[in-house]
Amino acid sequence: EAQVTQNPRYLITVTGKKLTVTCSQNMNHEYMSWYRQDPGLGLRQIYYSMNVEVTDKGDVPEGYKVSRKEKRNFPLILESPSPNQTSLYFCASSNRDSNEKLFFGSGTQLSVL
Amino acid sequence: AQKITQTQPGMFVQEKEAVTLDCTYDTSDPSYGLFWYKQPSSGEMIFLIYQGSYDQQNATEGRYSLNFQKARKSANLVISASQLGDSAMYFCALNMNTGFQKLVFGTGTRLLVSP
Repeated sequence: EAQVTQNPRYLITVTGKKLTVTCSQNMNHEYMSWYRQDPGLGLRQIYYSMNVEVTDKGDVPEGYKVSRKEKRNFPLILESPSPNQTSLYFCASSNRDSNEKLFFGSGTQLSVL
Repeated sequence: AQKITQTQPGMFVQEKEAVTLDCTYDTSDPSYGLFWYKQPSSGEMIFLIYQGSYDQQNATEGRYSLNFQKARKSANLVISASQLGDSAMYFCALNMNTGFQKLVFGTGTRLLVSP
């Protein structure tokens, strides 16, 4: 089954404790990205990757890191989480063409205390 | 910079009636695409419909249709014969045809379908 797999689904952590949210897709998509969703703000792009070893900042990259060592994986790293990073996070992937729909993971609800 | 506006924070509709969810966008580029996604209470994002800026006809997918008015820069989603399962958050998104995905999302409209 074609899918984007994110883990974990829920995560509660404390300020400053490094964490990684994993994302993997099985559709051989070139493009992957991370979004965060906050009430009243919709979804905002954090980082995106157009291919292996090619990543770039989205609209709200501060406090986040990503890597794309393999085509299928695109982990999101929070080196020192802060409470303002409490949010619902989505990983997404698609073919390169901009008229292709994004396939979303099931989301990660992160709470930073 | 491109921008998407959804002015209806919440909408109510009775089962079996049609409902229109508004979306306006702002871009100066002639080539772009518009997407609608549904987010039920379970949280996942479900693709509904796509309209390209050069498409001659309004997009349709089952009970979903997109009322695309290019001159007014609006891309309203029409859901016909609403069902209880349509209760969800709906997001409009704009993508520029830059050769890669750069979706900009609106703030969403929460639709509640009542029996």
